[in-house]
Amino acid sequence: QKEVEQNSGPLSVPEGAIASLNCTYSDRGSQSFFWYRQYSGKSPELIMFIYSNGDKEDGRFTAQLNKASQYVSLLIRDSQPSDSATYLCASPLYNTDKLIFGTGTRLQVFP
Amino acid sequence: ETGVTQTPRHLVMGMTNKKSLKCEQHLGHNAMYWYKQSAKKPLELMFVYNFKEQTENNSVPSRFSPECPNSSHLFLHLHTLQPEDSALYLCASSQEVYSGGNTIYFGEGSWLTVV
Repeated sequence: QKEVEQNSGPLSVPEGAIASLNCTYSDRGSQSFFWYRQYSGKSPELIMFIYSNGDKEDGRFTAQLNKASQYVSLLIRDSQPSDSATYLCASPLYNTDKLIFGTGTRLQVFP
Repeated sequence: ETGVTQTPRHLVMGMTNKKSLKCEQHLGHNAMYWYKQSAKKPLELMFVYNFKEQTENNSVPSRFSPECPNSSHLFLHLHTLQPEDSALYLCASSQEVYSGGNTIYFGEGSWLTVV
């Protein structure tokens, strides 16, 4: 059974700091990972995806994938109060679009 | 606006009622999904449709009945629900289920409360 695990948090960081969100997975065959952001009462929205080992940067966001250690992380630089949300890690099942999600990590950025 | 529209946004129903959730996507996708999101639990994949054909039913109780009349529309028919079915129900779509690696786009969700 494929599993994706996240610490539910909350993770509290001050404004301007780097927020580091982590996700581990059980299936060594997992090829790709998606990070979704979900504001309270809203639906998940895609912010990053990563296929290859190493780092992928997009603006203030950096996704890091380490297949040997089976973890994927999301770094948010210069965190803003508007980044306060739940961040969901997900991986597709066996080359399909069927995503398996973690429980999400709640991030709180305080001024 | 993600291109996936769900109605109603909020629904309160009694355990003996019958109601339906509706989802419509304007993205030209061929795959549609129902997910359930309960507090402190991961999103649970309930049903998957690919080119109108149901490809997955993740052991969902029969009181939930999906319907996909075409690739743009998806329904979730609800009857004799239990209070533990109260949750956020999310519809999503993607280009096609088995190509892999496509982005899934979610609707805003339907908040269901069973009383």
